[in-house]
Amino acid sequence: GAVVSQHPSRVICKSGTSVKIECRSLDFQATTMFWYRQFPKQSLMLMATSNEGSKATYEQGVEKDKFLINHASLTLSTLTVTSAHPEDSSFYICSARNSLRVGTDTQYFGPGTRLTVL
Amino acid sequence: GEDVEQSLFLSVREGDSSVINCTYTDSSSTYLYWYKQEPGAGLQLLTYIFSNMDMKQDQRLTVLLNKKDKHLSLRIADTQTGDSAIYFCAERKNFGNEKLTFGTGTRLTIIP
Repeated sequence: GAVVSQHPSRVICKSGTSVKIECRSLDFQATTMFWYRQFPKQSLMLMATSNEGSKATYEQGVEKDKFLINHASLTLSTLTVTSAHPEDSSFYICSARNSLRVGTDTQYFGPGTRLTVL
Repeated sequence: GEDVEQSLFLSVREGDSSVINCTYTDSSSTYLYWYKQEPGAGLQLLTYIFSNMDMKQDQRLTVLLNKKDKHLSLRIADTQTGDSAIYFCAERKNFGNEKLTFGTGTRLTIIP
């Protein structure tokens, strides 16, 4: 079935550093991937929609220069948190839509990356 | 207010049925989903229902949709300890929009 991986699963960094998170669709092509952020005991909030070969579409209130998204291939999207600060600490989850599967347009989710900024 | 609302907590005895409820506000929603999230993990798609359906059953899972009241429910029959998790409902607005709006999540606790 559709498998989405994320790397790393957990990262701890110092304030001011940049952190890159990878999202890969392992057994299907994904022209569209989504990046979510989840605070403790809260729901998922969509940050941006990542489109292969074009610029990402950011949700209102999400700083595009802070959260850089690159979707360079049909199986890989990256989210870079630039100059991370403690308030950026969160659980980041990506999802991918199977480009070739019509009908439900189901999104398949990665296992998440827990970012802790000291 | 929230577009999609759920009760935050539900406790059920092992072997009983669990019913998790969800209300949404957008009548143009096309697909409605149920996801399961175990501690520290991503989301697992459990099931989904298209907006022109009233019910969908898949093994122990039954989804009921009342489009008039914009109410969605997930029933888990014979609840087991492995069902302990947070359950999110999500709506997809329309065919031209791939974005999902998630509910607040319901934490299901199984009582032995």
